[in-house]
Amino acid sequence: SAVISQKPSRDICQRGTSLTIQCQVDSQVTMMFWYRQQPGQSLTLIATANQGSEATYESGFVIDKFPISRPNLTFSTLTVSNMSPEDSSIYLCSAGQISPGEAFFGQGTRLTVV
Amino acid sequence: DAKTTQPNSMESNEEEPVHLPCNHSTISGTDYIHWYRQLPSQGPEYVIHGLTSNVNNRMASLAIAEDRKSSTLILHRATLRDAAVYYCILRRSQGNLIFGKGTKLSVKP
Repeated sequence: SAVISQKPSRDICQRGTSLTIQCQVDSQVTMMFWYRQQPGQSLTLIATANQGSEATYESGFVIDKFPISRPNLTFSTLTVSNMSPEDSSIYLCSAGQISPGEAFFGQGTRLTVV
Repeated sequence: DAKTTQPNSMESNEEEPVHLPCNHSTISGTDYIHWYRQLPSQGPEYVIHGLTSNVNNRMASLAIAEDRKSSTLILHRATLRDAAVYYCILRRSQGNLIFGKGTKLSVKP
């Protein structure tokens, strides 16, 4: 199994600023992903964080807005850039192995943009 | 992306079995069927997964139709702690999970 820690757990930010969310896994994992969950909604995949290379973004998400880093097999960051109130959401990190087993999720970062 | 269809909500009585259905008529031969649940204010939690055969674990059972176009998650004895949103997901070969809307399960004492 894997335990995922996300920091910060919540934040209130001014519009136009950026926030970097950290995701730390307690063991090496092949795959890491970032999701967004708006209030009362399901999870939407933002991107796959690739170690040592650029992230793979889903339709509707771009690197300039959501830059992602993954320097090693246990850590990734997601930055929400030039924030607006529409970015208010819960951002979740997920991790797992390439084999089709269990994926693990962090508790999420609750972001409010004012 | 292969999609899944689930009822928006279901109700169950405590200590009774619950059968949560999922349709995935566009499933491909390599797609695994995964179930996750999300309790309020928490990240999703893995429940079970399977490819073709029925699967059992300590949390639940997964019954997969012979043509793989539908599946059913079975909670054998629902408890109040099982109240959550249950997501049926087809896992891509790249490993990422595309979530649908899920089924909100309510459990009555």
